[in-house]
Amino acid sequence: DTGVSQDPRHKITKRGQNVTFRCDPISEHNRLYWYRQTLGQGPEFLTYFQNEAQLEKSRLLSDRFSAERPKGSFSTLEIQRTEQGDSAMYLCASSGPILTSGIQETQYFGPGTRLLVL
Amino acid sequence: QKEVEQDPGPLSVPEGAIVSLNCTYSNSAFQYFMWYRQYSRKGPELLMYTYSSGNKEDGRFTAQVDKSSKYISLFIRDSQPSDSATYLCAMTSRGSSGGSYIPTFGRGTSLIVHP
Repeated sequence: DTGVSQDPRHKITKRGQNVTFRCDPISEHNRLYWYRQTLGQGPEFLTYFQNEAQLEKSRLLSDRFSAERPKGSFSTLEIQRTEQGDSAMYLCASSGPILTSGIQETQYFGPGTRLLVL
Repeated sequence: QKEVEQDPGPLSVPEGAIVSLNCTYSNSAFQYFMWYRQYSRKGPELLMYTYSSGNKEDGRFTAQVDKSSKYISLFIRDSQPSDSATYLCAMTSRGSSGGSYIPTFGRGTSLIVHP
């Protein structure tokens, strides 16, 4: 499968525990995005990497959240001291270079990691 | 008021019907407009994107943008049960890094096409 993959697909944890999710983008894509999606809502942007550099973070990304992309390939999203409000689907997407025409690049989404905090 | 408003539905139609899905927005800075389809427990899949006002057609799908009214639509002709999914509109303005376009999504409309 050459699409975006995410691991694990499901995670159940107790409040206060730390969790880490992994995203493997499409291999030639240099941009990687993390989103959070709650039931009945659209995805909300969390953060974005271009290669290994984290270029933008949403104000939704509290101090308990940290994301890395150490070698410009896969990325991890860690949530420390989880809260029940963190329960959501965490989506990763990747995209290639901006087209020469400057038109919006296509973001390809992974299947998501569904987190439940008890 | 959210930047992007979308009726969550559900919208239930018979097979073969023409479906109209809509979003309104308030941010004049939005430049690009997209429609994603999301099946249950899957990630969103890009269906179409448009840049300017007007219509864009791709098979059974037509995307329409009216920037003056801040209103976008997706039409699905000859709808099929396999079209049953949540349809998300999304709009982008350039991120602070200047290097990418961070989309703002609507909440999605649940579409059910029954045989």
